[in-house]
Order: sequence, then structure tokens, then C-alpha cells
Amino acid sequence: GEDVEQSLFLSVREGDSSVINCTYTDSSSTYLYWYKQEPGAGLQLLTYIFSNMDMKQDQRLTVLLNKKDKHLSLRIADTQTGDSAIYFCAESMKAAGNKLTFGGGTRVLVKP
Amino acid sequence: EAGVAQSPRYKIIEKRQSVAFWCNPISGHATLYWYQQILGQGPKLLIQFQNNGVVDDSQLPKDRFSAERLKGVDSTLKIQPAKLEDSAVYLCASSLDFLSGEQFFGPGTRLTVL
Repeated sequence: GEDVEQSLFLSVREGDSSVINCTYTDSSSTYLYWYKQEPGAGLQLLTYIFSNMDMKQDQRLTVLLNKKDKHLSLRIADTQTGDSAIYFCAESMKAAGNKLTFGGGTRVLVKP
Repeated sequence: EAGVAQSPRYKIIEKRQSVAFWCNPISGHATLYWYQQILGQGPKLLIQFQNNGVVDDSQLPKDRFSAERLKGVDSTLKIQPAKLEDSAVYLCASSLDFLSGEQFFGPGTRLTVL
């Protein structure tokens, strides 16, 4: 079955790096995603990685995928107060119409 | 490029009443999804359309929820009658097609059932 797990909360100082972790159970995942949700707003796609990749970098964001351990992480370099939000990890499978299965979200609080 | 549009943004109803939500996906996007996000949880898929056909509605409570996408563009999601546990944010998303890895979300409709 599908299950995506994330830690609930992360506190980080402005300027430091943040690392948000996620584990998933379905080895058939095609894509793995990171979405950001600010209060009262919809979900913003930050980045996604194809399941045959190990790493993807996009400006301040680095995604690492360990397919053997079914572990996905998102590193945010030089974290800013505007990065405070809830971050959702999600997986999808082409065979299942690419519907997204989300984790419960990690609330990131950036302290000045 | 305009994003996914949803209306209304907020709705408050009493239990046993009916409610409908509307979604306009990004132009040219064939696949449309409705998700339900209960407070403190990640979104969960309710229904997926490819053009005007249903691809997956296995998680849709069909005794009270219905959805349609008649012309393969806009979609409506209806709840009749509403229950207290239907209080949630209802998110619409679209993608170019069901093979595309990118889904784009609208701002959501926050439903409160009293």
C-alpha cells in the first residue's frame, strides 16, 4: 500500500540550512515531489524528481533520493523567514494516473 | 499564464445542506484532480478526470459526493448532504495529461460545516 511519512516540525535559524526528511513505502513510485503551503494558500510545487535520479539541485533547493531506503530529503540552503511554511512530500505513479499521495506535512519555522 | 481558479474561496453551511465548488484548470490541461485536505493533514485524492472521463474515483464517498467535468474543461464538485466531517479545504489541481509529472494547484475552497 501507499504510505508517506514526515516529521511534524522543524525549527531553524535564518541563514542556516534546513533539511526536511520523508519516507515512503511504494517502490513503484514514478515521481517524488516537494510542495510548499503557506497559511491560507494552495500548494506550490517546489521541485520534483524522477525516481531513477539520485539528486536534483535547483538554486537553493537540493533533493536527495535514496531509493534503496525509500528516503527523500529536501535541503534548503540559506533559509529565509519567507521559507516558513508547511512542506509536503508526495509520490505518484504513472500506472495510477499520477495521482499524488501526500505525507502529513512538516511545519518549518525560521527564526531570525 | 493564468493558474488554476477555484470558487468560492470560503463556504460555511449547516450539516445536511448542499454545497458545490467550481474549478477552472489551466488552459490546455487535460487532467483534473480534486483533493480533500482536512486540517493538519496532507491532501487526499477524491477524483481524477482525463478530459471529461473519470480515471479514478475510488476514494470519493459516492453516497454524498459527486463531480462532473462535462466539456472537459471546468469541473464542479458537489456534496449533498454535508456532514460535520466534510469540513476541509477542497483543492483542485490540473496537469497537461496524466503522464505529466507536474500538477498545479488552485487556492482551494475552505468548507466549514456547522
